[in-house]
Amino acid sequence: GIQVEQSPPDLILQEGANSTLRCNFSDSVNNLQWFHQNPWGQLINLFYIPSGTKQNGRLSATTVATERYSLLYISSSQTTDSGVYFCAVTPWGDNFNKFYFGSGTKLNVKP
Amino acid sequence: DAGVIQSPRHEVTEMGQEVTLRCKPISGHDYLFWYRQTMMRGLELLIYFNNNVPIDDSGMPEDRFSAKMPNASFSTLKIQPSEPRDSAVYFCASRYGLANTDTQYFGPGTRLTVL
Repeated sequence: GIQVEQSPPDLILQEGANSTLRCNFSDSVNNLQWFHQNPWGQLINLFYIPSGTKQNGRLSATTVATERYSLLYISSSQTTDSGVYFCAVTPWGDNFNKFYFGSGTKLNVKP
Repeated sequence: DAGVIQSPRHEVTEMGQEVTLRCKPISGHDYLFWYRQTMMRGLELLIYFNNNVPIDDSGMPEDRFSAKMPNASFSTLKIQPSEPRDSAVYFCASRYGLANTDTQYFGPGTRLTVL
């Protein structure tokens, strides 16, 4: 099956710093999404981004489908950005709702 | 809207018992997803429904697990008999629409502990 690897596994930032999270996947995909799980366990869907670039406030994401990776950028980080960021993909040709998740990047933003 | 509602929030049971987890999706949403999260296996999609019909249940771990959606406002995930390895957080999510761009909204999860 498809492999989804995220890096780094853990990241500690000072408030105000910028960061880049990476998601590598082993096969072509027709769906790629980023999720955030806050420290209390709540999951939020951040981006649908199988290719190209999107921005939402301080967050932006870029997927280079031909090279099989996606990046999530967090600018001017805030303590509320803490939590785990997951990348999830659907292999090309598979049912596009059938997600495979990476193991996540755990982010801790210190005040 | 109250968002996706899951009950119970916590469940502790003994091995061999039947467990039923419940989910009420956001009104008007036509897709419903069940996920499981464990330390060992991470987040996994178990099953999803479209218009109350199960579309893909390939993630359901074994026959002990079953899911139903009798109507647009209610779904259950049942484990019978439960085993300690079923201990996990189970999330329900819903969304509206055919497009992949549409956002999934997650419930708060049910933390299941099987002793």
